[in-house]
Amino acid sequence: SQQGEEDPQALSIQEGENATMNCSYKTSINNLQWYRQNSGRGLVHLILIRSNEREKHSGRLRVTLDTSKKSSSLLITASRAADTASYFCATGPDSNYQLIWGAGTKLIIKP
Amino acid sequence: EAGVAQSPRYKIIEKRQSVAFWCNPISGHATLYWYQQILGQGPKLLIQFQNNGVVDDSQLPKDRFSAERLKGVDSTLKIQPAKLEDSAVYLCASSLDRTSGRAETQYFGPGTRLLVL
Repeated sequence: SQQGEEDPQALSIQEGENATMNCSYKTSINNLQWYRQNSGRGLVHLILIRSNEREKHSGRLRVTLDTSKKSSSLLITASRAADTASYFCATGPDSNYQLIWGAGTKLIIKP
Repeated sequence: EAGVAQSPRYKIIEKRQSVAFWCNPISGHATLYWYQQILGQGPKLLIQFQNNGVVDDSQLPKDRFSAERLKGVDSTLKIQPAKLEDSAVYLCASSLDRTSGRAETQYFGPGTRLLVL
């Protein structure tokens, strides 16, 4: 079963704008990870945030984690056409080693 | 550093036929995963290996799917016989170690896109 739920399911913005995607989950976690999947390609790891962290940055990416609300957000600043992809959150539960995946947010950057 | 390799990239077969996928993980990665990803959904774990042993295959349809990881390196996933609903992308991933007991960063191959007619 899938634990993570991304919101929105789809997002279309103009190049240069910021994109925000949200992820909610149900059980306690050790870490939460964000992955990107371009059309027809495998998944690429973007960032991992641990349960004792609240915010993490990587280049144009900013991830926040609120364990009290069981939610995370991924912000992509100054979006580019190359950011067009599906974005997945995956949670690492506190009780085991598997990643539990959401259904993803499809992001389209319009030139 | 070479990434996770998978082959073939695409496969079209008729229902009831058999098919096999191959995966070579990143060198030194002890854990290997096979996922099934249906269009519009997130990946679904089929089987997880730690070295050459199976850690979890609870979601593997064992009446038709089988997987092995000989010598703790390469792995093959087989479907026999295939059904229409097996049409999906099959992703292989590897991670460094799971002795921490916690989910770690996974590195994915490009996937095999399977179409069953």
